[in-house]
Amino acid sequence: DAKTTQPPSMDCAEGRAANLPCNHSTISGNEYVYWYRQIHSQGPQYIIHGLKNNETNEMASLIITEDRKSSTLILPHATLRDTAVYYCIVRVEGDYKLSFGAGTTVTVRA
Amino acid sequence: ETGVTQTPRHLVMGMTNKKSLKCEQHLGHNAMYWYKQSAKKPLELMFVYNFKEQTENNSVPSRFSPECPNSSHLFLHLHTLQPEDSALYLCASSQVGNKRRANTEAFFGQGTRLTVV
Repeated sequence: DAKTTQPPSMDCAEGRAANLPCNHSTISGNEYVYWYRQIHSQGPQYIIHGLKNNETNEMASLIITEDRKSSTLILPHATLRDTAVYYCIVRVEGDYKLSFGAGTTVTVRA
Repeated sequence: ETGVTQTPRHLVMGMTNKKSLKCEQHLGHNAMYWYKQSAKKPLELMFVYNFKEQTENNSVPSRFSPECPNSSHLFLHLHTLQPEDSALYLCASSQVGNKRRANTEAFFGQGTRLTVV
């Protein structure tokens, strides 16, 4: 029972913004949206999370639609080192379970 | 350096061997996790511990035996494994929210690359 849907892969050009979509149409009011990425053969790395407001940090921006049924992770200036699998996860605060789907394989090309 | 340390980084073991994977977190978190990642597959959640108590066991075979002696250490004991158990084993920790503290993100170790021969 997948809670999120992401495209399996996408390419983007180095130096350009990368916009990664995620659908979570069954999200509950108390579920947060988290983004992680996993560079090849390393442990996943936290990127950003949010509940309903847009969020920005030094790595990325997270845009959540008003109905909260989808979100977009934005990497403002993609570099070759951003090539990774990106995971969108919904999670209730206080829920210990943290499950990953297949994610989106992002390839940044020079 | 994520604050979560896994040892060893690489392990080759025979099907009759017994070995253990170790994970240590220095972040003061209350939850620790074991994940398995086989080649070209998503991460599979194996076990979750909350304050040393196992809260999740996702139908993992008994040849994998977790142990959480305290909130900073997590072990995965391995015995009579099969070649299909070869994978990257990842440990993670997080602070799961309650009335006093909010959720934090999960921090992962670099993993142990296990090969069963």
